[in-house]
Amino acid sequence: QQQVKQSPQSLIVQKGGIPIINCAYENTAFDYFPWYQQFPGKGPALLIAIRPDVSEKKEGRFTISFNKSAKQFSLHIMDSQPGDSATYFCAAPPGGTSYGKLTFGQGTILTVHP
Amino acid sequence: DGGITQSPKYLFRKEGQNVTLSCEQNLNHDAMYWYRQDPGQGLRLIYYSQIVNDFQKGDIAEGYSVSREKKESFPLTVTSAQKNPTAFYLCASSIQRSYNEQFFGPGTRLTVL
Repeated sequence: QQQVKQSPQSLIVQKGGIPIINCAYENTAFDYFPWYQQFPGKGPALLIAIRPDVSEKKEGRFTISFNKSAKQFSLHIMDSQPGDSATYFCAAPPGGTSYGKLTFGQGTILTVHP
Repeated sequence: DGGITQSPKYLFRKEGQNVTLSCEQNLNHDAMYWYRQDPGQGLRLIYYSQIVNDFQKGDIAEGYSVSREKKESFPLTVTSAQKNPTAFYLCASSIQRSYNEQFFGPGTRLTVL
């Protein structure tokens, strides 16, 4: 069974700072690692995802860095804004043949102060 | 507009009652999922279905049941056997055999009185 460890549990930064959230996984048979963003009382929404034929993917202010040998990937938010305050989840596909399943990290509550 | 709808948004249950949460999607997705969200525990998979009339248990299926009679619908029943049902429940869907990209509904918050 896949396990995903996400850190930190919470993070507070000032506007313009660069919060970094880390995830580690155990094993995977499929190459797809998404990050989801969730605002209070809402469902999560896909933020950015990486397929690790590349080590980095950037979309706007959000960047995923991937280290396949270490089985780790990270989310960086450049020039963070108060509107980025949300809970962020990483996820990893299964290690076996359960195609379609994702295992989620525990989540990181990000607060960006003005 | 395509998307996933969940109803009701808030649900209150008395102890010993079964309740059913609705999930409908018009994205023409084959796969659908139910998650439970508790503070500090992320999203935990309850049940998932990759095709109509077929579903599999997730990591925390005890006390829950599902059905998948139509492609667009995947209702979840929280039975009286679920000892701690108060939580935020999320439904999701994805194209089967894709890179696992899942789209989530707005959630149902269930509270046991």
